[in-house]
Amino acid sequence: RKEVEQDPGPFNVPEGATVAFNCTYSNSASQSFFWYRQDCRKEPKLLMSVYSSGNEDGRFTAQLNRASQYISLLIRDSKLSDSATYLCVVRVHAGNNRKLIWGLGTSLAVNP
Amino acid sequence: ETGVTQTPRHLVMGMTNKKSLKCEQHLGHNAMYWYKQSAKKPLELMFVYSLEERVENNSVPSRFSPECPNSSHLFLHLHTLQPEDSALYLCASSVQGGSYEQYFGPGTRLTVT
Repeated sequence: RKEVEQDPGPFNVPEGATVAFNCTYSNSASQSFFWYRQDCRKEPKLLMSVYSSGNEDGRFTAQLNRASQYISLLIRDSKLSDSATYLCVVRVHAGNNRKLIWGLGTSLAVNP
Repeated sequence: ETGVTQTPRHLVMGMTNKKSLKCEQHLGHNAMYWYKQSAKKPLELMFVYSLEERVENNSVPSRFSPECPNSSHLFLHLHTLQPEDSALYLCASSVQGGSYEQYFGPGTRLTVT
């Protein structure tokens, strides 16, 4: 089983739609969770962290479910510029060692 | 816009060549990373350099050799590569090692022929 698993998509949605992505993780030592965004042929950039209580940043809402070991990203009122790959990232703590585990990414295409 | 630069942006090399990738960060960070991104695979951490640690992914072949002369510069020396090494090589930096907020360079698109 992959340590971090995402549906690769692609998700094709019309402008203005609401779309949600899930990401599951297998390591119970996972402590921190993040969503990165990667545009085509560009580098990944941090979109938002995911807090236990859930958090919102404009049209983006991130939630964490520790019991079921998944995180989600909700995008409301999709814009054309939201088209990108969304990478789920988990930080695992094991003693003094910390490392990031990256998902494969979910591809989103927002259509006019 | 980015505080992390990488050169070259594109590289085509034969299996017998020796080349080096360069990364420079202008953010005052203390940790730098090399990642490999291949099609249909997640980002693979290759090497980490920070004040606290130097970490290697044991699965990285010895034909990849990192060098970190100071906290702002990172190199990846390549020799006798294989076609399956063709990928996007991304450099990143962070305030400290293990930090989640990593700033990436634009990457070097490497093709091995």
